[in-house]
Amino acid sequence: DADVTQTPRNRITKTGKRIMLECSQTKGHDRMYWYRQDPGLGLRLIYYSFDVKDINKGEISDGYSVSRQAQAKFSLSLESAIPNQTALYFCATSDQQGDGYTFGSGTRLTVV
Amino acid sequence: LAKTTQPISMDSYEGQEVNITCSHNNIATNDYITWYQQFPSQGPRFIIQGYKTKVTNEVASLFIPADRKSSTLSLPRVSLSDTAVYYCLVGEAAGNKLTFGGGTRVLVKP
Repeated sequence: DADVTQTPRNRITKTGKRIMLECSQTKGHDRMYWYRQDPGLGLRLIYYSFDVKDINKGEISDGYSVSRQAQAKFSLSLESAIPNQTALYFCATSDQQGDGYTFGSGTRLTVV
Repeated sequence: LAKTTQPISMDSYEGQEVNITCSHNNIATNDYITWYQQFPSQGPRFIIQGYKTKVTNEVASLFIPADRKSSTLSLPRVSLSDTAVYYCLVGEAAGNKLTFGGGTRVLVKP
């Protein structure tokens, strides 16, 4: 099993719908992150959480919300999806020792 | 967060050494330099991290001059499977809020 699992892998949804992307990890890391990647571009940070009771906005949090249900689970929600939220979404984890991020395989989201 | 600048793309051939230089003029005292590799439709993968001088692992070497305003990732004897985008990131070792730039797209040709 992958260390960081994202579900679903692919999703097509309609404008205005609410959608949740889920991330779970078996690394035992306290820190979790959601990134967004648009075609040909680098990753941009949406939200991050350093422990279960900690939630922080990243550089592009508008239109998104998150929930840290447990140390191992961090979900990203689009309350009312819009077409420019079409992108590849990645969840990542890290520990406090700085051994690098571990990324999931991504969720490809298309909003039509 | 320190901004990084790296070439948009580089071409190489199998068996050659590839060196990618990243500029980070505003690097802070507590910042580390980390490189990631990303294949299409996959999440980035940690390659190497360093603070100063030289770091080497089974995949790559990282050269950091004394002023730490730049760094060079060296990939020895690349193969076709090394074709990917390589990101240079600068930040605290714990990886707080890493900012990814556009990366360097490396194409390895036969």
